[in-house]
Amino acid sequence: GQSLEQPSEVTAVEGAIVQINCTYQTSGFYGLSWYQQHDGGAPTFLSYNALDGLEETGRFSSFLSRSDSYGYLLLQELQMKDSASYFCAVRDRWSGNTPLVFGKGTRLSVIA
Amino acid sequence: GAVVSQHPSRVICKSGTSVKIECRSLDFQATTMFWYRQFPKKSLMLMATSNEGSKATYEQGVEKDKFLINHASLTLSTLTVTSAHPEDSSFYICSAPGLAGSYEQYFGPGTRLTVT
Repeated sequence: GQSLEQPSEVTAVEGAIVQINCTYQTSGFYGLSWYQQHDGGAPTFLSYNALDGLEETGRFSSFLSRSDSYGYLLLQELQMKDSASYFCAVRDRWSGNTPLVFGKGTRLSVIA
Repeated sequence: GAVVSQHPSRVICKSGTSVKIECRSLDFQATTMFWYRQFPKKSLMLMATSNEGSKATYEQGVEKDKFLINHASLTLSTLTVTSAHPEDSSFYICSAPGLAGSYEQYFGPGTRLTVT
């Protein structure tokens, strides 16, 4: 099975930088994904790391260290609209029939 | 990106009745779809994997007789909550895997079920 740990809540100030950590335990590992979900909405894809290192997409970056079974999502220049839940997710096999397994989510509140 | 739709977006039903939720892939074919359930402020919990032309695969602890899944075609999967009870009230989200080689999973907008 798989388990993913991430902080339950984070609060940050508008314009600041926030890092959301994720540690995972899986029988197999095929990449770490990050999804954003606003209340009442569907999860939307943010980033994916298959290899160690940093992936940057605009204000969002994601990092992976496979040796540490650890990754993080970095959000820069925070905006009020970034207030949402953020989930890390993994697959333990690489096939089209393998669903993502999600962490418990981190609720980010951006304050003025 | 690929689009997945769900219908209805919200449904309220009485205890004991059954509710059907449809999930469609609009611009691609999906031989597999995933059904998740999410309680307020909680994570997405995988319920089952729906396979076109064969039986669904249910996760441990999910009652297959209560949550009936049918993958009728390459673009449609349905989840029927039978004999619904208030504890079945939840947010149900379907998802389809990305195209071959893609790591992304595409989610429907979800269905909010309230059982009274």
